[in-house]
Amino acid sequence: GENVEQHPSTLSVQEGDSAVIKCTYSDSASNYFPWYKQELGKGPQLIIDIRSNVGEKKDQRIAVTLNKTAKHFSLHITETQPEDSAVYFCAASTGTASKLTFGTGTRLQVTL
Amino acid sequence: GAVVSQHPSRVICKSGTSVKIECRSLDFQATTMFWYRQFPKQSLMLMATSNEGSKATYEQGVEKDKFLINHASLTLSTLTVTSAHPEDSSFYICSALAGGIYTFGSGTRLTVV
Repeated sequence: GENVEQHPSTLSVQEGDSAVIKCTYSDSASNYFPWYKQELGKGPQLIIDIRSNVGEKKDQRIAVTLNKTAKHFSLHITETQPEDSAVYFCAASTGTASKLTFGTGTRLQVTL
Repeated sequence: GAVVSQHPSRVICKSGTSVKIECRSLDFQATTMFWYRQFPKQSLMLMATSNEGSKATYEQGVEKDKFLINHASLTLSTLTVTSAHPEDSSFYICSALAGGIYTFGSGTRLTVV
């Protein structure tokens, strides 16, 4: 089955700096790669996603890049703010009705 | 956007009793729902996939007789933890799939005492 690795496990950045989180996946059939933000005691919230026919997608301060050949995708957050502090999960899926396989999560802390 | 309502948000039950958790898609129909369990500081682990009108598909190692899943309509799926024990204490999260997007509920913190 699919295996998703995520790095780093923790990341501390100063407010205004950029943060990058990287994930690799094993199943070449995976074609959907969402990123979720999870705050303490809450469910994951989709922040951005990308499908395999696209190499990059951007939404304001958040961007995701996908390298299908290398089987890795990354989340980029620019101009970080304290409210960006949370746990971020990457995930991968092989189809529209398939289960999501999650990465191990990255705890991001944005310090003042 | 799509909203998934999950209840209760917190529940404490005595060992040996059963607990039901509801997951509703409020403004869309979901033919497929997923149930996850998350232990502290860990990732989400898929427990089962639920399709409306059919039996749930459980992941390896998940006891189907202990974690009963019912997906009777396109907007409601329930997870019942039967004969709960302290080791079942965890954060349970549902997810509904529609239009290729997975929307998550707010989670249920189950504590078994």
